[in-house]
Amino acid sequence: KQEVTQIPAALSVPEGENLVLNCSFTDSAIYNLQWFRQDPGKGLTSLLLIQSSQREQTSGRLNASLDKSSGRSTLYIAASQPGDSATYLCAVGSGNTPLVFGKGTRLSVIA
Amino acid sequence: DTAVSQTPKYLVTQMGNDKSIKCEQNLGHDTMYWYKQDSKKFLKIMFSYNNKELIINETVPNRFSPKSPDKAHLNLHINSLELGDSAVYFCASSFGLAGGRSYEQYFGPGTRLTVT
Repeated sequence: KQEVTQIPAALSVPEGENLVLNCSFTDSAIYNLQWFRQDPGKGLTSLLLIQSSQREQTSGRLNASLDKSSGRSTLYIAASQPGDSATYLCAVGSGNTPLVFGKGTRLSVIA
Repeated sequence: DTAVSQTPKYLVTQMGNDKSIKCEQNLGHDTMYWYKQDSKKFLKIMFSYNNKELIINETVPNRFSPKSPDKAHLNLHINSLELGDSAVYFCASSFGLAGGRSYEQYFGPGTRLTVT
């Protein structure tokens, strides 16, 4: 059974710092991996989707990498801003099956 | 032109009542899902439908009954509500079995259910 772990559970950084969020999964037979952002009391915003055949995806200041064989993904945020403060969720998919989510990393960027 | 919409956004009700949450997507997807986010913010799948047929039913009490009248809609009906049902319920959709699709899932804004 797939399990997804995100480390750290919470992270506080000063504005402008580059940071890395980690995600690991136990079953490497995945089809894709999605990173989401969730603001307090809000829904999920999809940030990046990486297909299993890809190594990384970039969107603006965000870069997500995937190492399927080792069961790891990282989300790199460059030049963090207070507006980046949110919970970041990693989820793995195996095709048309439901996503399995990690418990998230709660990020606070201090101005 | 909202992609995945849910109604209502907030639902406050008393124990023992029956309530429904509606979900609609206009993305042309053929697979829809219900997820539950508990008080610890952990998201877990409840149900998955493909082309109006139930394909995944996790260990959810049978007080929860999903219904999919067509590919664009997936509703969730809950009978005899209990305090422990208080959570945020998210609907999502994606392409299903069609080859070459990314299977990216798109989420609705969530329905915050509070049972008193």
